[in-house]
Amino acid sequence: GAGVSQSPSNKVTEKGKDVELRCDPISGHTALYWYRQSLGQGLEFLIYFQGNSAPDKSGLPSDRFSAERTGGSVSTLTIQRTQQEDSAVYLCASRGSGATPLHFGNGTRLTVT
Amino acid sequence: GNSVTQMEGPVTLSEEAFLTINCTYTATGYPSLFWYVQYPGEGLQLLLKATKADDKGSNKGFEATYRKETTSFHLEKGSVQVSDSAVYFCAVTQGGSEKLVFGKGMKLTVNP
Repeated sequence: GAGVSQSPSNKVTEKGKDVELRCDPISGHTALYWYRQSLGQGLEFLIYFQGNSAPDKSGLPSDRFSAERTGGSVSTLTIQRTQQEDSAVYLCASRGSGATPLHFGNGTRLTVT
Repeated sequence: GNSVTQMEGPVTLSEEAFLTINCTYTATGYPSLFWYVQYPGEGLQLLLKATKADDKGSNKGFEATYRKETTSFHLEKGSVQVSDSAVYFCAVTQGGSEKLVFGKGMKLTVNP
């Protein structure tokens, strides 16, 4: 596809359930980022991938959060035992090599009830 | 680590008004600075950037100058349009890392 694709676009889940969020980056983009956008909190960095490895995962809020990337392409962000404070829009972005800009997907809106 | 402080709004302007959105940063080394914009119903997209001191980024009538002495990167537009209604985010690269640190965003509404 032409842009970063995220699925699902919306997810409603019950507290305590696990969720998986998917990101398909732009083809050929080696770097992939996950951010979280909460009301009044701006964009919060979660994790960054270069290829399949994650040199910086400093933003993951707790051990309930994990992410992986396979084949240098698709990435999955998993939240276990979801809590209401996990409700937010989860954004994925990718970029190519060098000082190129980030390209963002439209995000997954997660609501934990 | 690096951080960004920007005007949070929301701000409402009339068409053709002058716009300034303040952004200041704290950083080590020589970060790059960015403005991203999120139009209603769309994903974040790069508006403009500057990679070294005194550089001016410009796009779509918007401008911002990298001021190292005041650690600022204020966004300006001389005459806003209804189509400029969006949320604007200032961002700075984290030194020694690929991480981009964002401000909290400012919602702008332009009325005809």
